[in-house]
Parts: sequence; structure tokens; C-alpha cells
Amino acid sequence: GAGVSQSPSNKVTEKGKDVELRCDPISGHTALYWYRQSLGQGLEFLIYFQGNSAPDKSGLPSDRFSAERTGGSVSTLTIQRTQQEDSAVYLCASSSGQITGELFFGEGSRLTVL
Amino acid sequence: DAKTTQPNSMESNEEEPVHLPCNHSTISGTDYIHWYRQLPSQGPEYVIHGLTSNVNNRMASLAIAEDRKSSTLILHRATLRDAAVYYCILRDWGETSGSRLTFGEGTQLTVNP
Repeated sequence: GAGVSQSPSNKVTEKGKDVELRCDPISGHTALYWYRQSLGQGLEFLIYFQGNSAPDKSGLPSDRFSAERTGGSVSTLTIQRTQQEDSAVYLCASSSGQITGELFFGEGSRLTVL
Repeated sequence: DAKTTQPNSMESNEEEPVHLPCNHSTISGTDYIHWYRQLPSQGPEYVIHGLTSNVNNRMASLAIAEDRKSSTLILHRATLRDAAVYYCILRDWGETSGSRLTFGEGTQLTVNP
């Protein structure tokens, strides 16, 4: 597709389980971002990739959160031992990597931890 | 990141112009002014950006004060589809390319039919 694709669109899991969220960026985009948005809140930055490396991972809230990107394309955000406070919409965005390049966001993955 | 200040909410009537203000008194010379909006249940989408001069595109216009300490996003004829949260963001072009965008609380725009 032409846009940023995220999967799953919805995920319900039990507290303590691990989850993986996938982001497929726009082809050719070198920069990839993960944000999360809790209900009624603003967007919280998590991590940024340039190619396969992550020069800015300062937003990851704990060591239970990790992300990787392979082949300069698909990225996976992994949350281990999920907690109820992890419930949120996880948004992925990609851009050309230029400083004025606009970010294109996906529809998000809604995570609910019971 | 330099901080921006926006009103929490604004209302407009359909087919009328809307002026969304943003204050950024601590803006640096290398900061671009970006606007994004987020429609209900969707990810944010890019609206417009500028550095010093006013900018126009198919979605909106951006008016930047001469001292760059404030800017205004102008929707020339609001439609119901323009109801969204509008974010004004400063992005430093002096940083390594691809640096993060830091979203604040934004302005919730309500458009009345």
C-alpha cells in the first residue's frame, strides 16, 4: 500500500503476557517513529529509527519496551510482561528523513491489557 | 525542545474562516514551525510548515509573525471534516535530520453546521 501500515489494529492481552506490534513504513522512508497515545491524552514519543539504528530511544518508558528495525523497513515494537498502564494506541510514523520531511502516521494499534 | 502555547479549544461555524493561534516566544532561529492535526480515531496528519515567510498550501495557510514568536494557522472555509485537534510544533533544523516531533496538548477545533 501507499501508506504506513500497522498490525494488529486491535490487541487484547492479559497482564503479564508479551505483545509485538508491527509497522510497515512507506517504501523508501529512512526515518521511522513510534509514539503512543493513552485515552484522551496527547502523543508520547517512544523511539526513532534512522535506517536500522535507533539514535533516539529516550522515550521508552521502561526496559520492558524494546523495538527493532530490519532491512531499513519493517519495525517491531515489543512489550514484555504487559501491565494495565501499557493500554494505549501505539502509533507508527515514517518520513523521508529530511529535517522538514513530514511524518506520515499509520492508523495505530490499540492495545488493551486486562 | 522550545515550547508552544495553544488554546485548549476553539469553535467555528461551517463555511467560515478559522484562525488557530500559537505562541512560541522562546523559538530559536533554527526552529521550523510545523502544524499537524488529528481527526477522531486516526493518526495525526501533516498540515503545513514554515520558517519565516507566510506559507500556503491546499489545506491551509500559515501566517508567521515578523518576530516569529507567534503564528496562526488559517483554514479559509471550515468544513465539518476539519473538526480535529490541531498541534503546533517547533522542529529544530539544526538537529540531526529526522529528529522527533514533540506533540503538546493542541487545540480541539469544533465546527458547527
